[in-house]
Amino acid sequence: EVQLVETGGGLVQPGKSLKLTCATSGFTFSTAWMHWVRQSPEKRLEWIARIKDKSNNYATDYVESVKGRFTISRDDSKSSVYLQMNSLKEEDTATYYCTTDNNYYFDYWGQGVMVTVSS
Amino acid sequence: DIVLTQSPALAVSLGQRATISCRASQSVSTSSYNLMHWYQQKPGEQPKLLIYDASNLASGIPVRFSGSGSGTDFTLTINPVQADDIATYYCQQSRELPLTFGSGTKLEIK
Repeated sequence: EVQLVETGGGLVQPGKSLKLTCATSGFTFSTAWMHWVRQSPEKRLEWIARIKDKSNNYATDYVESVKGRFTISRDDSKSSVYLQMNSLKEEDTATYYCTTDNNYYFDYWGQGVMVTVSS
Repeated sequence: DIVLTQSPALAVSLGQRATISCRASQSVSTSSYNLMHWYQQKPGEQPKLLIYDASNLASGIPVRFSGSGSGTDFTLTINPVQADDIATYYCQQSRELPLTFGSGTKLEIK
């Protein structure tokens, strides 16, 4: 059974940093491409970032609104994917989901982790 | 970016057909694929994949769900609607980065 479990969310002040972790099991993580998707309090879904596998040089892509502030990474030895979020803004407040990739659609989702950016 | 437009809500009676539409600001089809996908999200849960590549049913999804369309216009059909189908439905395109979602259609019971 595929499982994705996100951790690391919480309340953080604007301008601060937070790192999310997604621990996975039930599939061959090392060859999987992974994504982060977030959902605002208004329930809008937004794709944030994707990381490819080792054979594709761990290539990454980001939505424009997080470029230069967020970094997606992975540790194949731990079957985990990460999202380092720096210079957080109030508009980054959302539930963050990690997902598996299947030709750029999302076939498995974690339960999500909440991030609130507020002073 | 490709903008996907969905109606905010749709009210249908149990046992009837529900048709949810999604319009893209530009074509999301290639010569081989229609790169539109559909997700269901129930309150308090994560989204779940229903349909991929416009018309392919994801694993474990009941056959009362179906998808169609090409180019810029796509449709998710639920027939017949059951009480368990009350949820918000999102479309998503994978024609180009950034991947984008529609704003969701909330299915309500009449």
